[in-house]
Amino acid sequence: ETGVTQSPTHLIKTRGQQVTLRCSSQSGHNTVSWYQQALGQGPQFIFQYYREEENGRGNFPPRFSGLQFPNYSSELNVNALELDDSALYLCASSSPDRPYEQYFGPGTRLTVT
Amino acid sequence: TQLLEQSPQFLSIQEGENLTVYCNSSSVFSSLQWYRQEPGEGPVLLVTVVTGGEVKKLKRLTFQFGDARKDSSLHITAAQPGDTGLYLCAGAQTDSWGKLQFGAGTQVVVTP
Repeated sequence: ETGVTQSPTHLIKTRGQQVTLRCSSQSGHNTVSWYQQALGQGPQFIFQYYREEENGRGNFPPRFSGLQFPNYSSELNVNALELDDSALYLCASSSPDRPYEQYFGPGTRLTVT
Repeated sequence: TQLLEQSPQFLSIQEGENLTVYCNSSSVFSSLQWYRQEPGEGPVLLVTVVTGGEVKKLKRLTFQFGDARKDSSLHITAAQPGDTGLYLCAGAQTDSWGKLQFGAGTQVVVTP
């Protein structure tokens, strides 16, 4: 069974730039959720994708957007990067019958300078 | 603002001692998960509890979900250095099953 994978591992961007983070879900899972974890805090829900559509969104501005592909992989896009966007971005996958039981990838560490 | 409050924030104990981590909220959750996270890695799911009053045991770890489904605890017996990590509780509410709300975590350090 293949777990959740994310790329890249680390990324450094400049304020104002745009970034795309990628995630492949665990085999058998068709739901993907994205979380932002700032240093010293618990993860904060950004949004979830199911059947290639956004299925719930947290308190994040529209410059955070996403996609899900037919193979259930997903992308997180962030436009107009701000310094406060520096965080660990986590992707989690789950099955539709147990959407609360989410399995996380290793994360992408984004640093905005 | 975290909907789930975890206590303590930090816990340092000697190998062989017991410890308990608490997760409290004023809101009701339909399910509650406990995760452990190592530095620079994603959280690893330890357990899911869904029934009020439920108790689950995984080797030396005991998880309890409160009767009112507003709180939970994690108890580790005879802690080992490998138990070191950030313990996170996360809850899902009925109207938003896929949105996990996390506590800020409890950092546990077990020294030999």
